[in-house]
Amino acid sequence: GAGVSQSPSNKVTEKGKDVELRCDPISGHTALYWYRQSLGQGLEFLIYFQGNSAPDKSGLPSDRFSAERTGGSVSTLTIQRTQQEDSAVYLCASSLGFGAGEFGDEQFFGPGTRLTVL
Amino acid sequence: GQQVMQIPQYQHVQEGEDFTTYCNSSTTLSNIQWYKQRPGGHPVFLIQLVKSGEVKKQKRLTFQFGEAKKNSSLHITATQTTDVGTYFCAGSNILTGGGNKLTFGTGTQLKVEL
Repeated sequence: GAGVSQSPSNKVTEKGKDVELRCDPISGHTALYWYRQSLGQGLEFLIYFQGNSAPDKSGLPSDRFSAERTGGSVSTLTIQRTQQEDSAVYLCASSLGFGAGEFGDEQFFGPGTRLTVL
Repeated sequence: GQQVMQIPQYQHVQEGEDFTTYCNSSTTLSNIQWYKQRPGGHPVFLIQLVKSGEVKKQKRLTFQFGEAKKNSSLHITATQTTDVGTYFCAGSNILTGGGNKLTFGTGTQLKVEL
């Protein structure tokens, strides 16, 4: 596709339920990132996938959060037993990754999934 | 861990006035990137700086990377209503094994009044 896509665009769930958020990165991008953004706040790093390397999970706030990336492309962020404080916009981004050279490369963001936990 | 702070948090200006946001990292950076997020939108890449003391310009926007590679600034000359949004700096430290992982600054929200 032309850009990063995310689904669903909006998700309303009840406290305690599990949710899955999907990200389709730009074709050919080896790096994929998940961020969380609360209303009016900055971007909180969650997890980073680079090629076949072990993901950097250092930003996951609790063991209720997990993510996987299948076949080096699509990624799913799963939140188990959702809590009200999980309500936020979850943004996915992709970039060329290591192929971009030694100084890093720009990240292309998807439109986000707005999660509301009632 | 690495922290990136931005000041001010908010800025209201009259159209035509200048605007500057400052970005400070707790650690030396390999590069600094700037993103703009319009209200209700997602962050969009503006520019990347990699060299100590580097200055880059995009029309009315001037970006600077500090000599010590720990701070950066974005200056907008003669703001327009189209400049409204939140500006984020983001840095990475590839040399310490962080890969392309970015630490985003706290952001500066710019509002432009007619």
